[in-house]
Order: sequence, then structure tokens, then C-alpha cells
Amino acid sequence: EDKVVQSPLSLVVHEGDTVTLNCSYEVTNFRSLLWYKQEKKAPTFLFMLTSSGIEKKSGRLSSILDKKELFSILNITATQTGDSAIYLCAQDSNYQLIWGAGTKLIIKP
Amino acid sequence: DTGVSQDPRHKITKRGQNVTFRCDPISEHNRLYWYRQTLGQGPEFLTYFQNEAQLEKSRLLSDRFSAERPKGSFSTLEIQRTEQGDSAMYLCASSLTGTGVGEKLFFGSGTQLSVL
Repeated sequence: EDKVVQSPLSLVVHEGDTVTLNCSYEVTNFRSLLWYKQEKKAPTFLFMLTSSGIEKKSGRLSSILDKKELFSILNITATQTGDSAIYLCAQDSNYQLIWGAGTKLIIKP
Repeated sequence: DTGVSQDPRHKITKRGQNVTFRCDPISEHNRLYWYRQTLGQGPEFLTYFQNEAQLEKSRLLSDRFSAERPKGSFSTLEIQRTEQGDSAMYLCASSLTGTGVGEKLFFGSGTQLSVL
């Protein structure tokens, strides 16, 4: 059964720091790798990655996929307290999303 | 509000009781998903519909769980004879066919179920 593994499980940094979150996945029926941010209840979509080496950016957030090594990273630069959340990655596999357990990110002022 | 809405937001029930949750997807979305999430875990797939047809159910979904989407719009998820292990957040999400499973997946705020 496909698995998605995220690391670290939790991370505490100070405002202004840069963080890198990791996500490894398995390849069966791979269509895309997705990142979501979950603050209180509903996960909200961040990025969808389908091709290796192409960086997706949105403001201070960026993400890239390595299909050879089967992982993705999510970078957040100049972190702010509003970035505190759980960051989830998911593999889109045959019309199902297989989710990692998430990285809980806490930004201290 | 034109997002995905779920009702109720919270449900407390006694073990053995039946519960039903409702999800209203974004109106033009033809796909609707149900997920379950427990603390410290990512969402776990339960089932999904394309229009009114239930196309996939998780192997982990016991016979006590049933979902319907009778007219291809709102959906209900019923849990019969609830057990304490059913305590979780139940998330609904919707999307539009042809845009990929995840890119346009919009989640509701969930129903938090506590079984005493």
C-alpha cells in the first residue's frame, strides 16, 4: 500500500527564519504531489506538482518535486506567526489522495 | 458563502447510537469526497462520488458506514452503532472533474464526532 511520509513531524522556529518541510512518497499510479495547509479545520490547497525540477512559488512559499528520488520539499522563507499550521502533503494516486501525517509548524514571535 | 459546508460542526453521541452528517459541496462541483481525520494524522479516504454514483469506498470502511448522494448535490454520511473508535473529524471535499483530484479539491470545515 502506498505511503506518504513527512518530516519533521513538528518544528518550532522564530519569526523570520526559513523552514524546509519534507515529503517522501511511493510511486504506484503517481499523478501528482500536493501540499495543503491546515490551520484550524479545513485543509487549504497550496501547490500541485507533477514534473521534476520545476519550482512552484506563491509569495514566501515554494515547492519542488524530485520524481527520481520520490520526494518533495516545501520552503517557507521569512516566516511569520500566521504561517503556524499543519502542512500536509498528499500523493494523488488513482483518484485517491494518500496523505502524510503532516508537519506541525509553530512560529514564535 | 459558496464554499463547502458541513453540518453539524460538532456531534457528541453515546456508543451504540446512529449519527448522520451532511455535506453541501460547491454547487457546480460533480465530485464529492468523505475523509476522516484523527489527531496527528492526515485525512484518511473513506469514499467518493461522481454526481450521484458512489465510485469508490475504502477497504477500511466498515458496514456500519454508509454514504449517499441521491441527487448528485448534497451528501450524507451515516454511522450506525457508533463505537468510541469512530471519534474523529469527518471532512467533506468537492472538486470538478477534469481538473485533477487535488488541484481543485475544496474542503469543508468538518464535523467533529465524539463518541462517549
